[in-house]
Amino acid sequence: KQEVTQIPAALSVPEGENLVLNCSFTDSAIYNLQWFRQDPGKGLTSLLLIQSSQREQTSGRLNASLDKSSGRSTLYIAASQPGDSATYLCADSHAGGTSYGKLTFGQGTILTVHP
Amino acid sequence: KAGVTQTPRYLIKTRGQQVTLSCSPISGHRSVSWYQQTPGQGLQFLFEYFSETQRNKGNFPGRFSGRQFSNSRSEMNVSTLELGDSALYLCASSLGLGSDGYTFGSGTRLTVV
Repeated sequence: KQEVTQIPAALSVPEGENLVLNCSFTDSAIYNLQWFRQDPGKGLTSLLLIQSSQREQTSGRLNASLDKSSGRSTLYIAASQPGDSATYLCADSHAGGTSYGKLTFGQGTILTVHP
Repeated sequence: KAGVTQTPRYLIKTRGQQVTLSCSPISGHRSVSWYQQTPGQGLQFLFEYFSETQRNKGNFPGRFSGRQFSNSRSEMNVSTLELGDSALYLCASSLGLGSDGYTFGSGTRLTVV
């Protein structure tokens, strides 16, 4: 059974800190891994998509890495801001069969950045 | 380009009733997936449709069903509503290739009373 775990469950940091969110997955035969952000009561906003053949992706202050051999991905947020406060979710996808259209999500990391 | 549109945004229904939720994917996307999000269970996969065919289904009872139209718009139906069906229902749109990632809508908040 595919499982995705995120650590920590919650994180509170002062503004300006660099931080790392962790995601681990049990099935290393992933197709890709996607990081999302969710604000309270809202839908998911895609942050970064890493294909299985890639090691990392960057977008602005965000950098996500992927290590398939160890079953891990990390999301690095540089110079955090109060506007970064949200729940961050990682999800993996697999190829074909019972995996069509299906993302397996972690439980998320609730991030609070205080001024 | 327009994003993924879900309607309605909010619904309040009574136990035993049925409900239909709608999702319009990004233009050109042929795959629509549905998820249920609750505080206790997180995000759980309901089903996926591609070119009007259900390709995959999660572990939900038969009360949960869906369909996809020729314009790729999808509907999800829940019959005989239970209190436990109260949740945020999200749909995701993709090209359906598996490698292109998913774009989510804003969700429909369903409350069953």
